[in-house]
Amino acid sequence: GEEVAQTPKHLVRGEGQKAKLYCAPIKGHSYVFWYQQVLKNEFKFLISFQNENVFDETGMPKERFSAKCLPNSPCSLEIQATKLEDSAVYFCASSQWLAGVNNEQYFGPGTRLTVT
Amino acid sequence: DQQVKQNSPSLSVQEGRISILNCDYTNSMFDYFLWYKKYPAEGPTFLISISSIKDKNEDGRFTVFLNKSAKHLSLHIVPSQPGDSAVYFCAASEDDKIIFGKGTRLHILP
Repeated sequence: GEEVAQTPKHLVRGEGQKAKLYCAPIKGHSYVFWYQQVLKNEFKFLISFQNENVFDETGMPKERFSAKCLPNSPCSLEIQATKLEDSAVYFCASSQWLAGVNNEQYFGPGTRLTVT
Repeated sequence: DQQVKQNSPSLSVQEGRISILNCDYTNSMFDYFLWYKKYPAEGPTFLISISSIKDKNEDGRFTVFLNKSAKHLSLHIVPSQPGDSAVYFCAASEDDKIIFGKGTRLHILP
């Protein structure tokens, strides 16, 4: 597609429950990124993929968070045993290249996760 | 420690005048800088970018200036229009990831 699609738009989970978020990158884009936006304005890089391979996971919390980008499927970000502090908007982005011209990342509309 | 800083949380500008949004960074290894615009409940939208080897890039009403020695960049919008009211994020590219500032909320006054 021409836009990054993210589902669901909103997700409410009780503390300790699992949350799974999905992202379909723009067709033809090789790179997918996940960001977490907390406190309304602060973005935190979580993980990036080059096609189905993890490229950089330095931002991923060591426990409870995992992500996949499998062929012919939307990418996913999964949080096991959610905590209150996981409440945030999770943005997915995709880009054609990693550096130079056309490395701009295009963002999806985000998934708002509320942990109660 | 913040590598990309936007020190003004908000800015109000009269319609038709110039809006200037500022951004400072600390890492001299950044090779690409970007500005994103964000409306409520939407993802950030790419606006304009500049390579570290340039000092100016212009696209319509939007111009980005880069001062490498001062580690400072700015976004100029002229003339400002009501639809420009949004949060603007300065960002720097480091390898695969984009590092964002905290954003500046721009209000365009009628």
